[in-house]
Amino acid sequence: DVKVTQSSRYLVKRTGEKVFLECVQDMDHENMFWYRQDPGLGLRLIYFSYDVKMKEKGDIPEGYSVSREKKERFSLILESASTNQTSMYLCASSSARNQPQHFGDGTRLSIL
Amino acid sequence: GDSVTQMEGPVTLSEEAFLTINCTYTATGYPSLFWYVQYPGEGLQLLLKATKADDKGSNKGFEATYRKETTSFHLEKGSVQVSDSAVYFCALSDRDSSYKLIFGSGTRLLVRP
Repeated sequence: DVKVTQSSRYLVKRTGEKVFLECVQDMDHENMFWYRQDPGLGLRLIYFSYDVKMKEKGDIPEGYSVSREKKERFSLILESASTNQTSMYLCASSSARNQPQHFGDGTRLSIL
Repeated sequence: GDSVTQMEGPVTLSEEAFLTINCTYTATGYPSLFWYVQYPGEGLQLLLKATKADDKGSNKGFEATYRKETTSFHLEKGSVQVSDSAVYFCALSDRDSSYKLIFGSGTRLLVRP
């Protein structure tokens, strides 16, 4: 089974802090994704990566950046956290275009 | 652009009732279609998938058939259990154009004993 592991289930940070969310997958997948999930808004794609050091903006990239230095790891960075970034963050990976994405358990991030 | 529309929830059923969650899509290419389930406090899990017209995906008693003529992929289960209470997401992936999944807004299912 594919395992996607997110480093924290719950995280509390203060406004203005730089926040790192880490995600690791163990199936040698090419593609990795970061989403945020908010009530009434469903899942929205922040960034994705289809190869090491490659990244593409999703639908809501503002206020975020990403890093993919190794194939198995994809980091989401909040450069200067704000309260409107309080949300559930989900990481996913897939083996190829048009294949199912496999999700981690999510990180519930609160910005105070 | 591509989109997925799901029926609004919550859907509340008694145990052993029949379940249908409607999902329709618009896509310019030939998408693959998926149903995901999210249990409370967890991430999304792939429930089933179908990659071409008339394919039927099935898993854990759930089924969905890829209907190109009606652009639909409705989720069904003959007899729900309390443990099926979760949020269900319909999604599509357009094989020609994108790495992305397009998700519906999700439908919450609550099954009462």
